[in-house]
Amino acid sequence: QIQLVQSGPELKKPGESVKISCKASGYTFTDYAMHWVKQAPGKGLKWMGWINTYTGKPTYADDFKGRFVFSLEASASTANLQISNLKNEDTATYFCARSTIAPFFDYWGQGVMVTVSS
Amino acid sequence: DIQMTQSPASLSASLGETVTIECLASEDIYSNLAWYQQKPGKSPQLLIYDASSLQDGVPSRFSGSESGTQYSLEINSLQSEDAATYFCQQHHDYPYTFGAGTKLELK
Repeated sequence: QIQLVQSGPELKKPGESVKISCKASGYTFTDYAMHWVKQAPGKGLKWMGWINTYTGKPTYADDFKGRFVFSLEASASTANLQISNLKNEDTATYFCARSTIAPFFDYWGQGVMVTVSS
Repeated sequence: DIQMTQSPASLSASLGETVTIECLASEDIYSNLAWYQQKPGKSPQLLIYDASSLQDGVPSRFSGSESGTQYSLEINSLQSEDAATYFCQQHHDYPYTFGAGTKLELK
């Protein structure tokens, strides 16, 4: 069955970095795009961008340019999100989600809670 | 950016009732709209895409429709498991944006 399994929760201090992984199984990894979505505590969903799993090309929403990096370990069917210079406002759950060429999200990871606190 | 104005923010309904949730797009999104259900502590689940296409495995009591830039999600014959927060998402143009969500409570 199709699964996106994300890494575990993270507790970080401001200024540190974090890397979150999303391992896909049950389908051909490079046939689907991978997107990243942020959900701050008690808030709604915010699309961060996506990565073309065939070419490795990332596309970032404006609010996520600079400190956020999408990457792949295609041989391991894994997408990664790295956030550098963490700020308190990065405290959120981060989801990976796959899509076909049409960017709605049919499978989601379970989410990773990242807490940034001094 | 395309703004998605979702209403109501919350609603309460009884088992067996029918409810409607709406999303108004700030511009034409050409039916490129999806609806998701999210339960506490869980990831969102796709219900509807392309405004009215039912995702595989989703009960037929969920349906989507559109009128101009107004999109609606209707849930018929409410069941206890339908208590959740519902989000719309436009998948027409970058950045893909979500509505603020509607929290559905069952009486």
